Amino acid sequence: QQQVKQSPQSLIVQKGGISIINCAYENTAFDYFPWYQQFPGKGPALLIAIRPDVSEKKEGRFTISFNKSAKQFSLHIMDSQPGDSATYFCAASKQGAQKLVFGQGTRLTINP
Amino acid sequence: ETGVTQSPTHLIKTRGQQVTLRCSSQSGHNTVSWYQQALGQGPQFIFQYYREEENGRGNFPPRFSGLQFPNYSSELNVNALELDDSALYLCASSLGGGRRETQYFGPGTRLLVL
Repeated sequence: QQQVKQSPQSLIVQKGGISIINCAYENTAFDYFPWYQQFPGKGPALLIAIRPDVSEKKEGRFTISFNKSAKQFSLHIMDSQPGDSATYFCAASKQGAQKLVFGQGTRLTINP
Repeated sequence: ETGVTQSPTHLIKTRGQQVTLRCSSQSGHNTVSWYQQALGQGPQFIFQYYREEENGRGNFPPRFSGLQFPNYSSELNVNALELDDSALYLCASSLGGGRRETQYFGPGTRLLVL
């Protein structure tokens, strides 16, 4: 059962453009939503995370938008750079639970 | 870098063999979670260890087992290896067991089962 659905699978953006990756979740008990960035041969690295008491969180060029009623959240990368080329995973967890539930990932390519 | 280390980096085994993977958690962290990441997929939770006790398990068979040591490092053991066990195995360290603490991932061990 896929509890977190991520789209698109792959995304190509021109340098300087905005990259947008979307996730939808099913379990309304989820209350922590992180985004991870993974480069080839490396483990996932935490980029930014949000809890459902806010609708948006911004850290530098990265912004999470959260829509609790629609059970959706998205990652926006402003002024995308070639160094942002990586695979991005959204995830979700609930308080008291041990595990992160990951989406299937989005391979992002930023063309120079 | 997160400070989480894993060994070995790569491993090749044959079907039916057993394997042990190791993880050293970030300084000060008392919780280690293990994930399996198949090629092109997101990580799947295997189990978590908190203060040397198993603290939650995902949908993996009993041939996946683990340990956590007093220094909070951890091992993942897989018996009777199957071809589908080929994957990147990630450990993540955090503080506080089941609380909503950020998990920091290591670089992973790439396991190939032939």
